[in-house]
Amino acid sequence: NAGVTQTPKFQVLKTGQSMTLQCAQDMNHNSMYWYRQDPGMGLRLIYYSASEGTTDKGEVPNGYNVSRLNKREFSLRLESAAPSQTSVYFCASLPGHTLNTEAFFGQGTRLTVV
Amino acid sequence: QKEVEQNSGPLSVPEGAIASLNCTYSDRGSQSFFWYRQYSGKSPELIMFIYSNGDKEDGRFTAQLNKASQYVSLLIRDSQPSDSATYLCAVRVSTNAGKSTFGDGTTLTVKP
Repeated sequence: NAGVTQTPKFQVLKTGQSMTLQCAQDMNHNSMYWYRQDPGMGLRLIYYSASEGTTDKGEVPNGYNVSRLNKREFSLRLESAAPSQTSVYFCASLPGHTLNTEAFFGQGTRLTVV
Repeated sequence: QKEVEQNSGPLSVPEGAIASLNCTYSDRGSQSFFWYRQYSGKSPELIMFIYSNGDKEDGRFTAQLNKASQYVSLLIRDSQPSDSATYLCAVRVSTNAGKSTFGDGTTLTVKP
């Protein structure tokens, strides 16, 4: 059981380049989330999808777009990367967008924008 | 004021001691409270969650919640070097139930 899988694990981009971070879960979860984590800080929510077919902005959505491709997959796109987007990105899934359910995290994507 | 604040740390305790990690939150609509452990370079993993006032115990870990004081803590008894990690407090509010707000974390070092 793979859980939540993110690709790639590492990426270096030049300023202005675009890329898509992929996330897939095999737990039949309804809700999926993208977070970023900067050094010495907690996770900040970028976008989330409470259920298939819906997406909503989190705390720090500027510079990002998302697509909930199907129930399993939730991608994060950087259209024009900036050095301020250098961070570790985590995808998470929950059985449902509810109060008392455990979040399962992917292993993270470490992105550097130069 | 941040929505979720944790001890700035780092926190260092000797092996076998009790480690106490604290978290305060500002939104009185907060209903669920989570403690995650994150090893360096790894993803967060859930230790436990609590949603009722009082204590919740799981092995060496005890979470304590006081909604009136807007305070949640995590106690680690008989601390082990393997407990050395960053501990993240996360809070969910009923109006947007699956969305978690995280604190910046407290780094714990357990010295043999």
